[in-house]
Amino acid sequence: AQKVTQAQTEISVVEKEDVTLDCVYETRDTTYYLFWYKQPPSGELVFLIRRNSFDEQNEISGRYSWNFQKSTSSFNFTITASQVVDSAVYFCALWGPTGGGNKLTFGTGTQLKVEL
Amino acid sequence: SAVISQKPSRDICQRGTSLTIQCQVDSQVTMMFWYRQQPGQSLTLIATANQGSEATYESGFVIDKFPISRPNLTFSTLTVSNMSPEDSSIYLCSVEGQAPGLTEAFFGQGTRLTVV
Repeated sequence: AQKVTQAQTEISVVEKEDVTLDCVYETRDTTYYLFWYKQPPSGELVFLIRRNSFDEQNEISGRYSWNFQKSTSSFNFTITASQVVDSAVYFCALWGPTGGGNKLTFGTGTQLKVEL
Repeated sequence: SAVISQKPSRDICQRGTSLTIQCQVDSQVTMMFWYRQQPGQSLTLIATANQGSEATYESGFVIDKFPISRPNLTFSTLTVSNMSPEDSSIYLCSVEGQAPGLTEAFFGQGTRLTVV
């Protein structure tokens, strides 16, 4: 079985602050994929990033960056200079062919509130 | 990529009635997935729908309560039967990118169901 843990239930920051959302995962698969999704109040899920287990390079996309560390089974997400529009629930998810039964396992989500 | 259209986007239903949610994809896909997201919770997979075969249900979900149809490679429906207030949730349809592995899981905009 596989598991995704997002220990931070809710985070509040002031605009322009940097914020890191934590994600820790468990899997027995050697090949797996990690994802981050954003869910704004409107409810749709917005894909942010996919990372496979063989690619530990960190990635930066504008104000977003991701830190993947297999040694600690973590895939953390940092928003630099946060904005009010970043307010949403963020989900980390894991896909594994064997341990996950070929389906996505989601974490419980982190509610990010960015205030002026 | 895939574009998923889900209907209705929201509905308010009386307890004891049934609601059918439609999911249309703009390309042919092998598997379609139905998720439930209860208020303030993460996404939980209800079932996987393959064209030409019965849907595969996850633990805790049964066909009598959530019958699924998959008449072709671009369309699926999920019915929430004999609804109670506990069924109030967002229901999301999803498809996956190319195999092997997973390039991305695409989601519809969700159906926000309230049962009164």
